[in-house]
Amino acid sequence: NAGVTQTPKFQVLKTGQSMTLQCAQDMNHNSMYWYRQDPGMGLRLIYYSASEGTTDKGEVPNGYNVSRLNKREFSLRLESAAPSQTSVYFCASSEWGQNTEAFFGQGTRLTVV
Amino acid sequence: LAKTTQPISMDSYEGQEVNITCSHNNIATNDYITWYQQFPSQGPRFIIQGYKTKVTNEVASLFIPADRKSSTLSLPRVSLSDTAVYYCLVARGNAGNMLTFGGGTRLMVKP
Repeated sequence: NAGVTQTPKFQVLKTGQSMTLQCAQDMNHNSMYWYRQDPGMGLRLIYYSASEGTTDKGEVPNGYNVSRLNKREFSLRLESAAPSQTSVYFCASSEWGQNTEAFFGQGTRLTVV
Repeated sequence: LAKTTQPISMDSYEGQEVNITCSHNNIATNDYITWYQQFPSQGPRFIIQGYKTKVTNEVASLFIPADRKSSTLSLPRVSLSDTAVYYCLVARGNAGNMLTFGGGTRLMVKP
């Protein structure tokens, strides 16, 4: 049981390049999330998906797009990377209802130069 | 969603009990209070969740007063390995929870 798997673990991009961060969960959860965490800071919600086929903006959506490909997969795309997007990106999933426990991936460390 | 406020940092010593208080004045009727722990270079990990009164598990206790406008995470007899950042979240207990994290409390446990 892998839980939440993110790829890649590390990535260096040049300013203006694009890339997609992949996330997959095997717990049959309805909700999935993308966060970014800058050094010494808390997590900030970029986008979330309450269920397959729906996505909503979080606290810091500018510069990002997402796709909920199916119930398992939720990808985050940077169309034109900027140095300000240098961060650690975490994907998470959770189920609906009273249990709000979210499970996190190991993170993707992205550097934009 | 209710905004949460918690201390930026706390220090403690091994073997002591640590209490971290979080305020959430605008908590709604169907909101639940959840605490997460995060170690460096790892994603957050769920610790405990509660709605009211007291909840205890093998890791921590969570105390919630009747008005639910604050909550206290209690870590009994901390060790060096409890050094981490602790986040308090308020999340709606229904479909499509939007989970937002604040800055968290950085706990440093000293020998």
